[in-house]
Amino acid sequence: DADVTQTPRNRITKTGKRIMLECSQTKGHDRMYWYRQDPGLGLRLIYYSFDVKDINKGEISDGYSVSRQAQAKFSLSLESAIPNQTALYFCATSGLQGDQPQHFGDGTRLSIL
Amino acid sequence: GEDVEQSLFLSVREGDSSVINCTYTDSSSTYLYWYKQEPGAGLQLLTYIFSNMDMKQDQRLTVLLNKKDKHLSLRIADTQTGDSAIYFCAESGGSYIPTFGRGTSLIVHP
Repeated sequence: DADVTQTPRNRITKTGKRIMLECSQTKGHDRMYWYRQDPGLGLRLIYYSFDVKDINKGEISDGYSVSRQAQAKFSLSLESAIPNQTALYFCATSGLQGDQPQHFGDGTRLSIL
Repeated sequence: GEDVEQSLFLSVREGDSSVINCTYTDSSSTYLYWYKQEPGAGLQLLTYIFSNMDMKQDQRLTVLLNKKDKHLSLRIADTQTGDSAIYFCAESGGSYIPTFGRGTSLIVHP
């Protein structure tokens, strides 16, 4: 089983719809992150959380919100989806030590028509 | 803010060595990482180097760090078609939140 699981893997929806992307992990990590990937732009950080009571905005948080329901669960919501939010979204986790690398899920491909 | 730069594409012949370069601007960078992304998958950590090291070798992979020039490279020896992927350089400093480059697409042809 994957250590970091994202659902759904693919989603096509319409402009204006509310969408939730979910992430769960079995690694026992405290830190969780949401990124979006666009061709030629690499990864951009949307939100991150260092523990259940900690939520922080990343560089591109506008239009997104998150919820850290438990140590193992971190969800990303698009309250009213727009076409330029079409992208590949990744959840990642990491441990507390400074040299702990991030562990990524396989991504959610989101298309907004 | 911090910036990480990489070339977008690299094409090599199977069996040759590949060298992917990366430059970064954050002088407080502590850890530098290389990740690999295969089609349809997330990023997987290949290797990482602490900023007080200048070289790390792991089988076919060699990482070189020039801290003075803020330059990091990943060399893949005997490149195979299975090495075709996108390679991301990333650095993290005191915040432990990595900054990623845009990724280098490595294309290996026969």
